[in-house]
Formats: sequence, C-alpha cells, structure tokens
Amino acid sequence: QVHLVESGGGVVQPGRSLRLSCAASGFTFNSHGMHWVRQTPGKGLEWVAVVWHDGSNKYYADSVKGRFTISRDNSKNTLYLQMNNLRAEDTAVYFCAKGNLGHHFDYWGQGTLVTVSS
Amino acid sequence: QSVLTQPPSVSGAPGQRVTISCTGTSSNIGAGFDVHWYQQLPGTAPKLLIFGSTNRPSGVPDRFSGSKSGTSASLAITGLQTEDEAEYYCQSFDSSLSVPNFVFGSGTKVTVL
Repeated sequence: QVHLVESGGGVVQPGRSLRLSCAASGFTFNSHGMHWVRQTPGKGLEWVAVVWHDGSNKYYADSVKGRFTISRDNSKNTLYLQMNNLRAEDTAVYFCAKGNLGHHFDYWGQGTLVTVSS
Repeated sequence: QSVLTQPPSVSGAPGQRVTISCTGTSSNIGAGFDVHWYQQLPGTAPKLLIFGSTNRPSGVPDRFSGSKSGTSASLAITGLQTEDEAEYYCQSFDSSLSVPNFVFGSGTKVTVL
C-alpha cells in the first residue's frame, strides 16, 4: 500500500530556512508527480508546489515562489521542500501528496508541523 | 480567501441526506476541470473521497456521491452516519495563470446531530 512519511518540521525563526522530506513507498515513485500542500492551523488547505515525475518541471504557488524549492530524488524515493526566508504566515502543517493525472491528490502523508516564530 | 466557495457548515441527523456545494468560476470548474473531494477527520490527513467529479476510490462507501454542473459541484452524503462527522474540501484545477494552479475550497464542517 502507498505510504508517505514527512519529516523535518519544527520551530524556526523568521528569515531562517528549513528542509522537509517525504519518504515514499508502495508505488512506482518515478512515475508520478508529487506535491506539497499546507494547512494553516484551524484554516483550510493551500497547494504549495508540484514537481513532475522526472523532476523536469516544477511549479509553485505565488505565496512561496522565489523562497521555496521543491525537488525529488527518485533513487531514494524521496520528495523534498527547501524553505528559505520563512515568514510567520508560513506556519502550517505541510503534507506531501501523490499526484494523479486527473489533477487530484490520491494519497497524502500524515503531515509535519512547521512553526515560524521568534 | 479560497478560490472555491463552500458553506462553512452543514448538519443532519443520522440517516438523513446532506449536500455540500462548491462554487467556482469560469477559469476552474466552469472551464471544464473536474472537481475532487476530500474528507478530513479531526487530527488526520485529508483522504480522497471523490475524484473526477463523480468517481469513488476503492473502499469509499457508495453513500458518498459527487456531481458537477456549470461552475459548481456538489457532494452528497446519504444515510448520514456518526463517523461522517468531518471537514470536507473540494478541489479543482485553475487555468487563470500561465502555470499549473491547484485550488481548494474553504472547507465544510459536517455535524451529525
């Protein structure tokens, strides 16, 4: 069965950096686009970024463009999110999600909490 | 401010039918892009409930059904059960930008009375 496990969350000061990881198993990782989606405490869901199955294309939400970088290592079945110049408004639970050709997310990890605070 | 609009809450007694609306625009649902629905139980990750506007993944009870028309979509839950108490989100794809953009609704809390 599909399993996605995020790690790397924590408390960080504004302006600092953090890298999230997502270990994937149970499916052919290099055949699927992968996404990061975040959820602000008590609020809704916001799509953050996507990387194509082979890493050839990457797209970002305007709110993180220029600060966040999505990447993947298909040899390790792992997805990453490098977050730089973090802001208070980036505080959220970050989920990695497996993409589907139908523009939806068919499996989600359990999430990792990022708190940006001085 | 979410791109897709959902009612904040709906409620119903066990066994009743409830519906959740999801209203978009001509650049997402109205452009023909499918709507997908996710169920999020308290303290857990979202789970895919309906994809392609009307399809249920394996394991999702047939009490859940989806529909789409024009710039809107709906999720219906028939025979409401206590375990259906959760937050529900709709999601679609938006073509207003020159790059991919995946958009969500604001979420609807379903309460079983």
